[in-house]
Amino acid sequence: DSGVTQTPKHLITATGQRVTLRCSPRSGDLSVYWYQQSLDQGLQFLIQYYNGEERAKGNILERFSAQQFPDLHSELNLSSLELGDSALYFCASSVAGSVTDTQYFGPGTRLTVL
Amino acid sequence: GENVEQHPSTLSVQEGDSAVIKCTYSDSASNYFPWYKQELGKRPQLIIDIRSNVGEKKDQRIAVTLNKTAKHFSLHITETQPEDSAVYFCAANLNRDDKIIFGKGTRLHILP
Repeated sequence: DSGVTQTPKHLITATGQRVTLRCSPRSGDLSVYWYQQSLDQGLQFLIQYYNGEERAKGNILERFSAQQFPDLHSELNLSSLELGDSALYFCASSVAGSVTDTQYFGPGTRLTVL
Repeated sequence: GENVEQHPSTLSVQEGDSAVIKCTYSDSASNYFPWYKQELGKRPQLIIDIRSNVGEKKDQRIAVTLNKTAKHFSLHITETQPEDSAVYFCAANLNRDDKIIFGKGTRLHILP
């Protein structure tokens, strides 16, 4: 157990809908990263937040947004869902803001869009 | 764009033999190279990392080598065991953008 928690574990929804994924970092960690893992694309970095502020952005679609709250938990919002958004979504946390800090991954949320 | 290439995509090795996975990167400013192991249905876990000020790092049966001139790094697993079966991902930071790029993964099968 890495200490990073994610809810829900599984999510099944329909195209066009909106969902929110939640992540709580390890105690003391200030950074949260979001990744998308699909079968053919491997692990794709989406976005990083550090102490409430956006720190780095990867290949995140405009339909997706995230935020980090004062208690440091983070939410990833996915809207206007498409079939291709079906994937495993991981969050990871690290102690500080640099990507060279060790990242600890949560168990993931499996999103299925029907 | 900047990327990390990983080979092979699948690797089958007899139990007890060694396994080698290779990655190349394109950003000459990269200076941090972690390796993650992901067992089926589980989260990626960091198994070893190397920074650009060293050429090799070992941790028991696992070692990583880095060649900055050629921009490639490799994971070596010796005396492989059944529990080594998993998908392994290499990664490199993009120093300019301060983000991590992952390779597409290598599925390692340890044969009995």
